[in-house]
Amino acid sequence: DIVMTQSPDSLAVSLGERATINCKSSQSVLYSSNNKNYLAWYQQKPGQPPKLLIYWASTRESGVPDRFSGSGSGTDFALTISSLQAEDVAVYYCQQYYSTPFTFGPGTKVDIK
Amino acid sequence: EVQLVESGGGLVQPGGSLRLSCAASGFTFSNYAMSWVRQAPGKGLEWVSGIGGSGDSTYHADSVKGRLTISRDNSKNTLYLQMNSLRAEDTAVYYCAKHGGISYYHPTDYWGQGTLVTVSS
Repeated sequence: DIVMTQSPDSLAVSLGERATINCKSSQSVLYSSNNKNYLAWYQQKPGQPPKLLIYWASTRESGVPDRFSGSGSGTDFALTISSLQAEDVAVYYCQQYYSTPFTFGPGTKVDIK
Repeated sequence: EVQLVESGGGLVQPGGSLRLSCAASGFTFSNYAMSWVRQAPGKGLEWVSGIGGSGDSTYHADSVKGRLTISRDNSKNTLYLQMNSLRAEDTAVYYCAKHGGISYYHPTDYWGQGTLVTVSS
């Protein structure tokens, strides 16, 4: 199984400041035949289901604010919130869908400082 | 508008059975793979089972293999999870999720609100 790790476990950022979450996979999730990274980012607020933010490592889902961006390739990825808003308080998960079982990272909790 | 509505959760004794359902609407159900993802209380996300759009391809995590079975009825736009020989560690909110393509090698772009399964005596 591909093991996903995230860092930090939690972070507190001032409103309007940048937040960056890192995600690492135990093996590459880059599929060479189509040059796509099978990596997604989800946001989960309390009492709600996860919401897809980013897929193919860097493609923003429709309707997601452009302050959210994804980067990275192979085994190292990042989710950046360029200017943190109050409504961004949530837990963020990365997930690989390169090989079954499709594993999630343990999550990173983002709060306001 | 895509809607996924889970039902069938509840309290069950260890060793018991439940069948979860997920009623889908707002998209051509047979064109998309579907999955069940669970979340134990206060814990992270675990992908449990996936099924291709035609139903011919399925996957079950090792933790549930032989006990939980995913299936779908494309004529009824409904996804199922048959849960047998339930254990305390199966206690979780079970989410139904739609993938972005006919195979489950696509991200899950829509999720239901979830249904809680509690396994306890």
